[in-house]
Amino acid sequence: AQSVTQPDIHITVSEGASLELRCNYSYGATPYLFWYVQSPGQGLQLLLKYFSGDTLVQGIKGFEAEFKRSQSSFNLRKPSVHWSDAAEYFCAVAAFGGDKLTFGTGTRLAVRP
Amino acid sequence: EAGVVQSPRYKIIEKKQPVAFWCNPISGHNTLYWYRQNLGQGPELLIRYENEEAVDDSQLPKDRFSAERLKGVDSTLKIQPAELGDSAVYLCASSLDAGGGQPQHFGDGTRLSIL
Repeated sequence: AQSVTQPDIHITVSEGASLELRCNYSYGATPYLFWYVQSPGQGLQLLLKYFSGDTLVQGIKGFEAEFKRSQSSFNLRKPSVHWSDAAEYFCAVAAFGGDKLTFGTGTRLAVRP
Repeated sequence: EAGVVQSPRYKIIEKKQPVAFWCNPISGHNTLYWYRQNLGQGPELLIRYENEEAVDDSQLPKDRFSAERLKGVDSTLKIQPAELGDSAVYLCASSLDAGGGQPQHFGDGTRLSIL
C-alpha cells in the first residue's frame, strides 16, 4: 500500500525567503505525485503534479517540485515566499494508473512579515 | 468553469441525529469522491463513484454512513446516527475520469460538529 510522510508539521519563514517542504512517499513502482494547498475554511487546490518525464515540475503560484526516485522524495519549493502563501500544504500519492489518493498529514506554513 | 459545490458549509447537530451533505461536481466530471478530513490530518477517501456506480466504498462505515449519486451527477452523503467521532470536514471532489492520474478538484467542504 502506498503512504506519504510529511515530516514537518509546522514551518515558519520570513516573507521573501525561500521555502522547501519535504515529502517522502512509499510505493513499489513509479507513482503519481501531487501537491495541494488548503487555505483555512477552503477545499484543496492543486499546485502541481508529477507523472513521468522531467523530474522538475512547475506549478501554479511560482511553486515547483522535484521528484527524486533514489530518495523517494517529492519536495516542494518556492524561491520567494509571499504572505499569501500561508496555508496548509498536502503531498499526495496515487498508484500508477489509478486515482486513489493517499495524503500526508500536511505541513502548516506561517509567513513572518 | 464552475467548481465543485458543497452544502451546507457548516452543520452542528447533537449526537444520534441524522445529517446529510450534498455535492454538485464540475460539469462533465464522471468520477466523484467523498473524503473525510479529521483535524490536523490529510483527507481520507470514504467512497468513489464512477458515474452512478460506487466502485470503491471500502473505507465507508456502512453501519451508519450511506451515499448515493443519482443520474451520475449530484451526490449525497448521509450519516445516521451521528457519533461524536464523526466531527470532521467532509470534502467532495470530482475528476474527468478515474485513473491516468486525472487531477481531483475539491469543494470547500462541510464542517460537521457533533455536540
